[in-house]
Amino acid sequence: QKEVEQDPGPLSVPEGAIVSLNCTYSNSAFQYFMWYRQYSRKGPELLMYTYSSGNKEDGRFTAQVDKSSKYISLFIRDSQPSDSATYLCAMSVRNTDKLIFGTGTRLQVFP
Amino acid sequence: GAVVSQHPSWVICKSGTSVKIECRSLDFQATTMFWYRQFPKQSLMLMATSNEGSKATYEQGVEKDKFLINHASLTLSTLTVTSAHPEDSSFYICSARTSGLQGYGYTFGSGTRLTVV
Repeated sequence: QKEVEQDPGPLSVPEGAIVSLNCTYSNSAFQYFMWYRQYSRKGPELLMYTYSSGNKEDGRFTAQVDKSSKYISLFIRDSQPSDSATYLCAMSVRNTDKLIFGTGTRLQVFP
Repeated sequence: GAVVSQHPSWVICKSGTSVKIECRSLDFQATTMFWYRQFPKQSLMLMATSNEGSKATYEQGVEKDKFLINHASLTLSTLTVTSAHPEDSSFYICSARTSGLQGYGYTFGSGTRLTVV
């Protein structure tokens, strides 16, 4: 079993839709939870990070962590074609600098 | 914000030759640089962690004699793929932790697509 599971998609939605992206994990030692956006042939770009269970909002993006269920989500409101990319969840291992990534979900927002 | 500049963005080399990839932190000092490899439709896999002035730490299964990492200064880390073979063809990405500059997080380079023919 992988430490971090993420549905690779692709996920195709119309412009304006609410997008829900999710990851599950098995390691209780994960400390920080991050979402990265990666455009084709580019490095990942940090969108949001959270530490504790609950919601964190930034503009059209909301990150949600449920540590009891080992489940994290990223919601994108009013999705735009420019949001089309691969979204990677990542988790840091406590007391290390290591990041463990999900496989990424490819999102396509069509006009 | 913090920027990590990675070069080249793509390279094609012949089997058996060596390729060097550079990552520079442009406006901050990166005491630790991370090197990842990403195969198509797969996640980023950490290859090694390099600390300025000391030997890199390699993940299990990564050949340290094949993937040479040098981190001679606080702003430059290099990855050299020695005696490259077609199975080394992949997307290589570096990153540096930028905690304190952008809150908690890691800044990534733009990646290097290596094709070995």
